[in-house]
Amino acid sequence: AQSVAQPEDQVNVAEGNPLTVKCTYSVSGNPYLFWYVQYPNRGLQFLLKYITGDNLVKGSYGFEAEFNKSQTSFHLKKPSALVSDSALYFCAVRGPWGNKLVFGAGTILRVKS
Amino acid sequence: DTEVTQTPKHLVMGMTNKKSLKCEQHMGHRAMYWYKQKAKKPPELMFVYSYEKLSINESVPSRFSPECPNSSLLNLHLHALQPEDSALYLCASSQATGPNYGYTFGSGTRLTVV
Repeated sequence: AQSVAQPEDQVNVAEGNPLTVKCTYSVSGNPYLFWYVQYPNRGLQFLLKYITGDNLVKGSYGFEAEFNKSQTSFHLKKPSALVSDSALYFCAVRGPWGNKLVFGAGTILRVKS
Repeated sequence: DTEVTQTPKHLVMGMTNKKSLKCEQHMGHRAMYWYKQKAKKPPELMFVYSYEKLSINESVPSRFSPECPNSSLLNLHLHALQPEDSALYLCASSQATGPNYGYTFGSGTRLTVV
């Protein structure tokens, strides 16, 4: 069975500073990894995904994520945080045979001006 | 059209009521999903439909009854709910159920059971 861990309940960062939201995964076989963002009282918005190929994946709103197979990690990054990036971020994984998307517990990102 | 539309956005219902949540997409996606989300928690999968057939039921109580009348529509029928069923109900769709397909989520229906 696949699983995802987001070790930080909350990440605080100053506007303009780089941000990292951490995610580690466990899956049998090659992982299919996703990041979603959720603003208050809204559904989830897709940010980016890793299927295969380059370990650095670029997504929406200037976000990127780095796939690291040896560390089983897929951390979300952004070079310069904006206050409007403040939201709840979910990492998710599917295994090669799984048709279920499994979410991590979520990380609240707070960007202060 | 790249959206998943859910109606209503808010619903308050009594424990003896019958109501339905609706979800619609026109992206040609052949897989559709219902998720339940409590505040500040991850979404929990309830049902998966693939090509209009129920393929996964995550042991959801029978007071929740899904229906997929056609490839664009997904309903969730509610009956005799409990206050603990109050949550955000999210619908999602994907091109198919293969692992490389990401999901497109609707904005959800905020359900309150009184």
